Amino acid sequence: GESVGLHLPTLSVQEGDNSIINCAYSNSASDYFIWYKQESGKGPQFIIDIRSNMDKRQGQRVTVLLNKTVKHLSLQIAATQPGDSAVYFCAASGNTPLVFGKGTRLSVIA
Amino acid sequence: EADIYQTPRYLVIGTGKKITLECSQTMGHDKMYWYQQDPGMELHLIHYSYGVNSTEKGDLSSESTVSRIRTEHFPLTLESARPSHTSQYLCASTSGPLSGANVLTFGAGSRLTVL
Repeated sequence: GESVGLHLPTLSVQEGDNSIINCAYSNSASDYFIWYKQESGKGPQFIIDIRSNMDKRQGQRVTVLLNKTVKHLSLQIAATQPGDSAVYFCAASGNTPLVFGKGTRLSVIA
Repeated sequence: EADIYQTPRYLVIGTGKKITLECSQTMGHDKMYWYQQDPGMELHLIHYSYGVNSTEKGDLSSESTVSRIRTEHFPLTLESARPSHTSQYLCASTSGPLSGANVLTFGAGSRLTVL
């Protein structure tokens, strides 16, 4: 089955710097990937997604990069702000419902 | 603001009690899901539903049961709660495919503590 994992459980960045959160997946049949942000006391909220026919997708201040060769994706947050402090999850899907990895807690230092 | 609601948000209950966690969505989504979130933050799929009268077990074995009598409602029941059931339970829904490209909308979660 699919397994999805994040490389670091915690990440601290200075306000204004760029953040990079990495994720690895195991199933080469996975063709859809998604990032969620979870703030304290709330459910996960959609940030950005990418299909396997792309290797990069940009949103507002966020970019997702997909490397299918090494089964790795990353979330880049530009000019990190205090409001970006949260737990971030990646998830992957192929022919199954979304499989989530463990989260990375991003702390923004003012 | 997501149109998916979970109640109760917090519940502390004694061992052996029956509990039902409610989940309702007003978006007309046909697919609904229950995830269990452990202290390490990982989300594990425990139940999902394609639509009315359809329920399936997820990857993580759970003693809970679910029902889908109405499109908008997907309650989760524990017949006899135990301390090992202490966790955060997240409900989600989507109108997308069951797998593949699929943005789930999550509720705020129900945090269950069993003493």
